[in-house]
Amino acid sequence: AQKITQTQPGMFVQEKEAVTLDCTYDTSDQSYGLFWYKQPSSGEMIFLIYQGSYDEQNATEGRYSLNFQKARKSANLVISASQLGDSAMYFCAMREGPKWNTGNQFYFGTGTSLTVIP
Amino acid sequence: NAGVMQNPRHLVRRRGQEARLRCSPMKGHSHVYWYRQLPEEGLKFMVYLQKENIIDESGMPKERFSAEFPKEGPSILRIQQVVRGDSAAYFCASSVYGANVLTFGAGSRLTVL
Repeated sequence: AQKITQTQPGMFVQEKEAVTLDCTYDTSDQSYGLFWYKQPSSGEMIFLIYQGSYDEQNATEGRYSLNFQKARKSANLVISASQLGDSAMYFCAMREGPKWNTGNQFYFGTGTSLTVIP
Repeated sequence: NAGVMQNPRHLVRRRGQEARLRCSPMKGHSHVYWYRQLPEEGLKFMVYLQKENIIDESGMPKERFSAEFPKEGPSILRIQQVVRGDSAAYFCASSVYGANVLTFGAGSRLTVL
């Protein structure tokens, strides 16, 4: 089974509108972390936001928020007030186990390509 | 305040040659991870290293691939006798012990002719 599933290969959003990028995950661990990374056309991977499995509140970082629904095992990224510079690939990722576990791996989804339309 | 430095950014090799990719972690980071990204795909874990130790290499192909992180100097991902299927972007990430977040380098793009 896939650890991370991103079902939207491509998304379009009008500038200044909000957009939600979907992510579901699969783990039997009680302690895990969820992440979103942005990959612009230049290729680097930029960390956006983190949500711990025990965090009761949804994570927010500026225009980014993570809609964490634990029972549904979903961790959708919401980008508010989209900007042209938000056009990029977005990857959802999961770290299984507690953060002090030195054997951790991160699992990445296949990504969603977001295009912001002027 | 340099981040994770990878070089070369682009590497072209002919089939059968060797590729060496280097990664210098962020200052103060003692853990290095290598990931491979094939075209149109997400990142796949390859190997996780600390200084002079391979902690987890469960994602490494059994043959031709090796990685090291010596006491001094960068981490090296070595691919011997490259084949066309090795063409990919190879990302290095680093972290401190127990960190939540991986900090990635800009990647090294290998093209095998």
